[in-house]
Amino acid sequence: GQQVQQSPASLVLQEGENAELQCNFSSTATRLQWFYQHPGGRLVSLFYNPSGTKHTGRLTSTTVTNERRGSLHISSSQTTDSGTYFCAIDPNYNVLYFGSGTKLTVEP
Amino acid sequence: GGIITQTPKFLIGQEGQKLTLKCQQNFNHDTMYWYRQDSGKGLRLIYYSITENDLQKGDLSEGYDASREKKSSFSLTVTSAQKNEMAVFLCASRDWGGGAEQFFGPGTRLTVL
Repeated sequence: GQQVQQSPASLVLQEGENAELQCNFSSTATRLQWFYQHPGGRLVSLFYNPSGTKHTGRLTSTTVTNERRGSLHISSSQTTDSGTYFCAIDPNYNVLYFGSGTKLTVEP
Repeated sequence: GGIITQTPKFLIGQEGQKLTLKCQQNFNHDTMYWYRQDSGKGLRLIYYSITENDLQKGDLSEGYDASREKKSSFSLTVTSAQKNEMAVFLCASRDWGGGAEQFFGPGTRLTVL
């Protein structure tokens, strides 16, 4: 089956520090998607990024398909960034396969 | 824009009980999904449906039934709730075809006593 590995499993930062979240996957045709989940909240799509680099505000998503990896960079972290970040791949155009998430805590 | 609503928000049942969760979307999306999320874990697919009256099993379909009554709604039934089962069930939808993002509902939190 499809494998999606996220690292680190958890990360604690001081406000203002940068974060780099990693996602490695088993398929080359992935249509990688990043989600954010606030504790107790719904999943919010951050990026749909099949390949290359995309930016939104302080967030940058990079997908390198032929190396089967993606990353999510958070610059100048804020306490409101705390939560769990999931990556997911969509190799067959129908079903998402999720990683187990990176739990981010940003302390003031 | 659109929205996905799930009812109920919290569901408490007894062991062995049949329980039904409902999902509605107004995106006019073709495909809808049910996922289960255990505490501190990622999401696992239970069922999905690519159109009205279609059903496809995911990796976690045993113990569940699903029904796609119409394009905008997708129901999930826990056929016999297990004691100490606690999870959040998330509904999602997307347009059919490559390149479409999935959008998620707020979830239903299930507790079985």
